[in-house]
Amino acid sequence: KAGVTQTPRYLIKTRGQQVTLSCSPISGHRSVSWYQQTPGQGLQFLFEYFSETQRNKGNFPGRFSGRQFSNSRSEMNVSTLELGDSALYLCASSFLPSADTQYFGPGTRLTVL
Amino acid sequence: GENVEQHPSTLSVQEGDSAVIKCTYSDSASNYFPWYKQELGKRPQLIIDIRSNVGEKKDQRIAVTLNKTAKHFSLHITETQPEDSAVYFCAARGSSNTGKLIFGQGTTLQVKP
Repeated sequence: KAGVTQTPRYLIKTRGQQVTLSCSPISGHRSVSWYQQTPGQGLQFLFEYFSETQRNKGNFPGRFSGRQFSNSRSEMNVSTLELGDSALYLCASSFLPSADTQYFGPGTRLTVL
Repeated sequence: GENVEQHPSTLSVQEGDSAVIKCTYSDSASNYFPWYKQELGKRPQLIIDIRSNVGEKKDQRIAVTLNKTAKHFSLHITETQPEDSAVYFCAARGSSNTGKLIFGQGTTLQVKP
């Protein structure tokens, strides 16, 4: 099976712009979670999606949003980018939300200038 | 709120020695505790996990122990090798019906040949 894929792998934006990141889960996996990884804050939970519904949201401002499509692919959007949004954005997929094992994608490295 | 504390932040050992990383969680409802290894520039990869109904689990040179009363779990790596050098993250899942993981801050393990 192909692993979790994320596109694009690298992105450079300027402050005030918006960005959309994409995540394709492992075939058959229906649950997708997103995490932000920074040197200072570590890995922080952003949101969790299952059956096109957001089931959990982390402590991030409303500029961070996401969605899931019927084929389980997920996107996250960050509007009005700030310098502090520079990070590695990781998505992880699992068969179900209750399934133990989550598999991470390679991440999207976002740099905000 | 939910929190996972991880110690030490850096650990340097000689090849062949053992390494121990410790984590403490705050949410007593947490029932699943994975450990991820992240090499530089790569995605986090699950190396071992434990559920709350088990006290210890071993996989070759890696073992994890869980003390539910103390809300404490640890990763033990024996006979360390240079390829074990990486950042290790512990995590806790709050309930069975969610994929949301709360991560520790990470431990940078260096194994000196």
